[in-house]
Amino acid sequence: AQRVTQPEKLLSVFKGAPVELKCNYSYSGSPELFWYVQYSRQRLQLLLRHISRESIKGFTADLNKGETSFHLKKPFAQEEDSAMYYCAPAGGTSYGKLTFGQGTILTVHP
Amino acid sequence: NAGVTQTPKFQVLKTGQSMTLQCAQDMNHEYMSWYRQDPGMGLRLIHYSVGAGITDQGEVPNGYNVSRSTTEDFPLRLLLAAPSQTSVYFCASSYSRNSLNTEAFFGQGTRLTVV
Repeated sequence: AQRVTQPEKLLSVFKGAPVELKCNYSYSGSPELFWYVQYSRQRLQLLLRHISRESIKGFTADLNKGETSFHLKKPFAQEEDSAMYYCAPAGGTSYGKLTFGQGTILTVHP
Repeated sequence: NAGVTQTPKFQVLKTGQSMTLQCAQDMNHEYMSWYRQDPGMGLRLIHYSVGAGITDQGEVPNGYNVSRSTTEDFPLRLLLAAPSQTSVYFCASSYSRNSLNTEAFFGQGTRLTVV
């Protein structure tokens, strides 16, 4: 069965500190990995995907197929990063039914 | 380009009432899905569709019904509302054969309260 684990429901850091949001997944085949973000009172939106290998808003995520992990990292957190973050693998027809973790609420304190 | 449009944004129902949450997308996406978001539970899939005329159940389908008569629309029907259906509902769409873009686009959500 497809499963996503985000072990931290809540994560608090101070501005300027590094932050890492963990994601482990169990998925048949070779999924594409996504991070979605939901800022306060806004809709979910794509933050980044592993195949792009790009940095969005200072965030990066490395896919570790051996550990089946896709942790999200940022070296210097900003207050505007405070949001709910969801990890989601998808592939084939499963692009239509994303499997989400329970999400991590990140709070960046001034 | 409107993207994914959900209506209404807020709704209060009495137990036993029925209603339809509307979802429309204008990106010619094949895949559409409905999720509910509850504290500590993340996003759970209710129903999804991989194309017009094709729907299937997700993780928590009981109490909900869907249909996909057109590519653009994917309404979610609550048949007999129950307090356990109090939640925030999100519609999402993804994947167009023309672009091969796999990113999911979400509606702004519907906050439903069943009293």
